[in-house]
Amino acid sequence: DGGITQSPKYLFRKEGQNVTLSCEQNLNHDAMYWYRQDPGQGLRLIYYSQIVNDFQKGDIAEGYSVSREKKESFPLTVTSAQKNPTAFYLCASSALAGARFGTQYFGPGTRLTVL
Amino acid sequence: DQQVKQNSPSLSVQEGRISILNCDYTNSMFDYFLWYKKYPAEGPTFLISISSIKDKNEDGRFTVFLNKSAKHLSLHIVPSQPGDSAVYFCAASATGNTGKLIFGQGTTLQVKP
Repeated sequence: DGGITQSPKYLFRKEGQNVTLSCEQNLNHDAMYWYRQDPGQGLRLIYYSQIVNDFQKGDIAEGYSVSREKKESFPLTVTSAQKNPTAFYLCASSALAGARFGTQYFGPGTRLTVL
Repeated sequence: DQQVKQNSPSLSVQEGRISILNCDYTNSMFDYFLWYKKYPAEGPTFLISISSIKDKNEDGRFTVFLNKSAKHLSLHIVPSQPGDSAVYFCAASATGNTGKLIFGQGTTLQVKP
């Protein structure tokens, strides 16, 4: 079964600590994305990557960092510099060519709570 | 500057009736539009999409209409079922925009039995 996995489902962190959220896909998609969702709001783009070893900032990149060392993996680190890290984090991937170009497919999400 | 807007935060309909969810956009460069459905604490699920070369796309109970002159799209669900109760997001992208999607704020649909 092809899909996107995110782990863990729930994550708790103390203030001042960095934490890394995992995202893996076996859809052979070139592009991967990280979003944040807050209550009553839409999805806001944090970072995205179209190719291995390359990534770009989205609309709210401050306090976050990413890496793309493998096509299948796009981990997100929430650093202590992120002022309001408590949120629901969603990872997505998409093909950049073909019939499904432009359609993003999402993982199940990670709920991060800062204590 | 919100390029994609869903002005109705919530919608309640009776089971079996039609649900109409609306979305407006401002960027005339958008040429691909999508609807996603999301349950609490889960990732969004892709529902249906439409290219700007079309004005209608249908998939089972779901139909998306695109009015380019009004920069407006809508999702029709007929007949509505209790399992359709969820948050619905519309999203848009522009060719050459690296596949980035711009999302609306979402509309919470409640279908009453």
